[in-house]
Amino acid sequence: NAGVMQNPRHLVRRRGQEARLRCSPMKGHSHVYWYRQLPEEGLKFMVYLQKENIIDESGMPKERFSAEFPKEGPSILRIQQVVRGDSAAYFCASSPRLGALTGNTIYFGEGSWLTVV
Amino acid sequence: AQTVTQSQPEMSVQEAETVTLSCTYDTSENNYYLFWYKQPPSRQMILVIRQEAYKQQNATENRFSVNFQKAAKSFSLKISDSQLGDTAMYFCAFMVGFNSGGSNYKLTFGKGTLLTVNP
Repeated sequence: NAGVMQNPRHLVRRRGQEARLRCSPMKGHSHVYWYRQLPEEGLKFMVYLQKENIIDESGMPKERFSAEFPKEGPSILRIQQVVRGDSAAYFCASSPRLGALTGNTIYFGEGSWLTVV
Repeated sequence: AQTVTQSQPEMSVQEAETVTLSCTYDTSENNYYLFWYKQPPSRQMILVIRQEAYKQQNATENRFSVNFQKAAKSFSLKISDSQLGDTAMYFCAFMVGFNSGGSNYKLTFGKGTLLTVNP
């Protein structure tokens, strides 16, 4: 049973370009979460999605960031017009049901490292 | 709002010895969960251990155990018989539990403790 799969693992973008990070949840998981880890920091919640629905995007920056989880295919975190401050590790996590109902165990992918030059 | 504090930015231990990492948290919730995650040099986030706040018994997973002091809002991680592969960043994390009316899916993380196991 494959874990949470993220790609690319490493992505380099020039300022002003777009970054797209993809996440395939574990098999049977319909809840996806994105977290961001800035240098020297712990992970911070960004957004929670179910298939075709954004449930909670309270941690997303107001501009340039968007996320989707279509009916078919992976979840995508999109960052438009990237700036140096977007350089971070972006982790995707998934759970089969709402976090609390699974004993609150949420499984993380290996992360995508975005570097903006 | 919940906060998680890890007061030890770095720690080191000799192989085969025991080390304790500290974590304190602040919440007004009564039903919640606590976690320790490990992030080795590969940078993957790996769940080490979890604790339900309503359980008095401290969680244990092989060489890893916790000391959960609910009244003091303290959740320390003890690693026994430390191994070189335990070298990693360790993050303490908090999640509101079900039926608390809160965001029972958001993990709040501390800033981490970098543990180095020396041969």
